[in-house]
Amino acid sequence: ETGVTQTPRHLVMGMTNKKSLKCEQHLGHNAMYWYKQSAKKPLELMFVYSLEERVENNSVPSRFSPECPNSSHLFLHLHTLQPEDSALYLCASSQEVGQHGYTFGSGTRLTVV
Amino acid sequence: GENVEQHPSTLSVQEGDSAVIKCTYSDSASNYFPWYKQELGKGPQLIIDIRSNVGEKKDQRIAVTLNKTAKHFSLHITETQPEDSAVYFCAASKRANDMRFGAGTRLTVKP
Repeated sequence: ETGVTQTPRHLVMGMTNKKSLKCEQHLGHNAMYWYKQSAKKPLELMFVYSLEERVENNSVPSRFSPECPNSSHLFLHLHTLQPEDSALYLCASSQEVGQHGYTFGSGTRLTVV
Repeated sequence: GENVEQHPSTLSVQEGDSAVIKCTYSDSASNYFPWYKQELGKGPQLIIDIRSNVGEKKDQRIAVTLNKTAKHFSLHITETQPEDSAVYFCAASKRANDMRFGAGTRLTVKP
């Protein structure tokens, strides 16, 4: 384990469902991130949180809604997704935002049917 | 914004040989360059990083070199082993919340 835990590991959902992805870290990091990883594409930054405050929303559709209740937990709420949203969703944390190595979780493999 | 290009996309080497992966970046203000290794079923793991005030950094069989003038940096793995087989990602950033990743290199080390 890296210290960043993501649940669930796998998720299959219909286009009308509502689900949530959870990320938890107890590394004492102040920054947390959501990334989308699709086949043969670079990692796509979705959201950045610093000390529970969102500092970046990288033009992500509103069907993805992040929540950071405290510096150890990060959620990604999903609703009315499209099949093209199927991907590996990775959570990461770092000491501060940006110029420090990231610790990634193992990801949630999402399939939208 | 920053654009990071990574080559090759796939690399196959014989066990014991060296492997080199190269990345170029577009923004001369970028000053932090990490490398990540992603094994099957896992998230990327930081393996080495370098800052712009350093030209080279080594950690056992892994080294990273940075050429700021040419805006490229490379990962060198010597004496490769089968467990080095994974996807490797480079990244570059210049400030907070501006980390950009390359598309990845799938390295296969044949026994």
